[in-house]
Amino acid sequence: GAGVSQTPSNKVTEKGKYVELRCDPISGHTALYWYRQSLGQGPEFLIYFQGTGAADDSGLPNDRFFAVRPEGSVSTLKIQRTERGDSAVYLCASSLQGHTGELFFGEGSRLTVL
Amino acid sequence: AQSVTQLDSQVPVFEEAPVELRCNYSSSVSVYLFWYVQYPNQGLQLLLKYLSGSTLVKGINGFEAEFNKSQTSFHLRKPSVHISDTAEYFCAVHSYTGGFKTIFGAGTRLFVKA
Repeated sequence: GAGVSQTPSNKVTEKGKYVELRCDPISGHTALYWYRQSLGQGPEFLIYFQGTGAADDSGLPNDRFFAVRPEGSVSTLKIQRTERGDSAVYLCASSLQGHTGELFFGEGSRLTVL
Repeated sequence: AQSVTQLDSQVPVFEEAPVELRCNYSSSVSVYLFWYVQYPNQGLQLLLKYLSGSTLVKGINGFEAEFNKSQTSFHLRKPSVHISDTAEYFCAVHSYTGGFKTIFGAGTRLFVKA
């Protein structure tokens, strides 16, 4: 399959632990987005990469959240000192070029913080 | 700043009846408009998009939407729904405000009854 791949699909952790969520976008897609979706809500924008650089990180809720995309392909979302309120489905999407806006989503990583 | 309002959180409808899911947006810049669908236990996928040109756009599975700039609306319609259309539908706005960003509405759950 050539779709967006996210791992792990499910992650259960304890409050205060560190978590990494990985996204492997569609090959050749230069734009990559991270969203967070809580139950009954629409996806909430976190960060957008164009190539290797974070073009817009205005949606990251606080400095416990950080994301990287060192080679312009795979991205990792990192959450430090997790809190129960971080529990959500974290969605990754990629786009051929950022300006067209058509997003291809992965199936998400469900994070549960106990 | 952009915002997206989906006016109905849930829409129950009988099979073969018509349906309209309403979406209004607010933006100070030009936008591209999208509808995404999320079937149970699946990732989001693109239903249709408006980039420019004809204000009536057609998507997959018999859905269509009409862009109304004066009313800042992008309502989704289908003349006759099927049980298989039961899903969550998200309206989204994509624009450039220092970086390309797509903002989603809270979603409308379409429930098709036999």
